[in-house]
Amino acid sequence: QSALTQPRSVSGSPGQSVTISCTGTRSDIGGYNYVSWYQQHPGKAPKLIIYDVGKRPSGVPDRFSGSKSGNTASLTISGLQAEDEADYYCCSYAGSYTWVFGGGTKLTVL
Amino acid sequence: EVKLLESGGGLVQPGGSLRLSCAASGFTFSSYAMHWVRQAPGKGLEYVSAISTNGDGTYYANSVEGRFTISRDNSKNMLYLQMGSLRAEDMAVYYCARYSSTSCYDSWGQGTLVTVSS
Repeated sequence: QSALTQPRSVSGSPGQSVTISCTGTRSDIGGYNYVSWYQQHPGKAPKLIIYDVGKRPSGVPDRFSGSKSGNTASLTISGLQAEDEADYYCCSYAGSYTWVFGGGTKLTVL
Repeated sequence: EVKLLESGGGLVQPGGSLRLSCAASGFTFSSYAMHWVRQAPGKGLEYVSAISTNGDGTYYANSVEGRFTISRDNSKNMLYLQMGSLRAEDMAVYYCARYSSTSCYDSWGQGTLVTVSS
């Protein structure tokens, strides 16, 4: 199972919006609405920020939103804040009890 | 509060074995499937293995199939990963993660580092 494709890095200024894409195939993202996104700060464990494509766990700010079109999922962070600087990973169920992650995107807040 | 605490990581020679443990607390452990996810130094996350709520179903990534064994003891709220025939590419921080009914990893441990080197 190949990893999902994410941009290596994105950047934005405080207050701006950024979108991180996550491209897979019809065997993973395109086949299931089980896309989740994780935020990871350096030296820390990942934290769930989006599940089921576009749902937010309690406590996650509504500045974080997710969507999907075809084989590509997207995470949008609006009103960027300094604490949003982190690595972001997408994840999708890929059938037959397999799961696949994206390679990760480093978000820099300028 | 959900807590997952991994242990058992360390330095092991290529071809060697290691057993990781994950102690769970703060939730009904037997009601959740559990996964192991790893992260090589400076790299991304990688699904390793999954186990069903009662342990009857076990699943593995192709990269570890036949070398790793996942298990759980619901009476002790413990998750395990027996790793064998270790290779340099298995070197990583190993996280145990709770797999929620909404098909995502909603809780993670702090991770335990496995170093494979001679």
